[in-house]
Amino acid sequence: QKEVEQDPGPLSVPEGAIVSLNCTYSNSAFQYFMWYRQYSRKGPELLMYTYSSGNKEDGRFTAQVDKSSKYISLFIRDSQPSDSATYLCAIAAGSEKLVFGKGTKLTVNP
Amino acid sequence: DTGVSQDPRHKITKRGQNVTFRCDPISEHNRLYWYRQTLGQGPEFLTYFQNEAQLEKSRLLSDRFSAERPKGSFSTLEIQRTEQGDSAMYLCASSLQDLTEAFFGQGTRLTVV
Repeated sequence: QKEVEQDPGPLSVPEGAIVSLNCTYSNSAFQYFMWYRQYSRKGPELLMYTYSSGNKEDGRFTAQVDKSSKYISLFIRDSQPSDSATYLCAIAAGSEKLVFGKGTKLTVNP
Repeated sequence: DTGVSQDPRHKITKRGQNVTFRCDPISEHNRLYWYRQTLGQGPEFLTYFQNEAQLEKSRLLSDRFSAERPKGSFSTLEIQRTEQGDSAMYLCASSLQDLTEAFFGQGTRLTVV
């Protein structure tokens, strides 16, 4: 079993839709939970991070962590065409090493 | 541009040749990371420096790979005797405090033919 599992999609939604992106992980020692956005041929860009179970909101983005079920989610409200990108979850266990999911490719259609 | 800078952006090399990539982190960032990303996959950790000390290495970093950060500023990643399986995007990131605030560069895309 891989440490982090993420459905690669692709996911295609109409503009204005609510998008839900998800990852599961296997190691209970993971402490830091992050979401990155990566545009084609660019480096990953940090969107949000959290340490604890619960929700964290930043504008149209909400990150949710459920440590009991080892499940993390990113919700995007009122999705825009500019949100079209690959979204990567990344998790760390206290070392300096991030473990990334495969990424989910999202397309928001105007 | 004050972000993480990587050079070159693209490199095409023949199998068996050596290649070297450079990463210039954000000024004053003492932590520097190298990752590798293949098509359709997320980045995979290669190695981590704090200042000039290489503190963590992945088993992905075979004997053909070597990374240095001689003065605690820029870093180089060298691949000797390249193989087709080395074709990937090589990403560098830097941070000041910890990996929750790591900024990635645009990457160096390596193609081994």
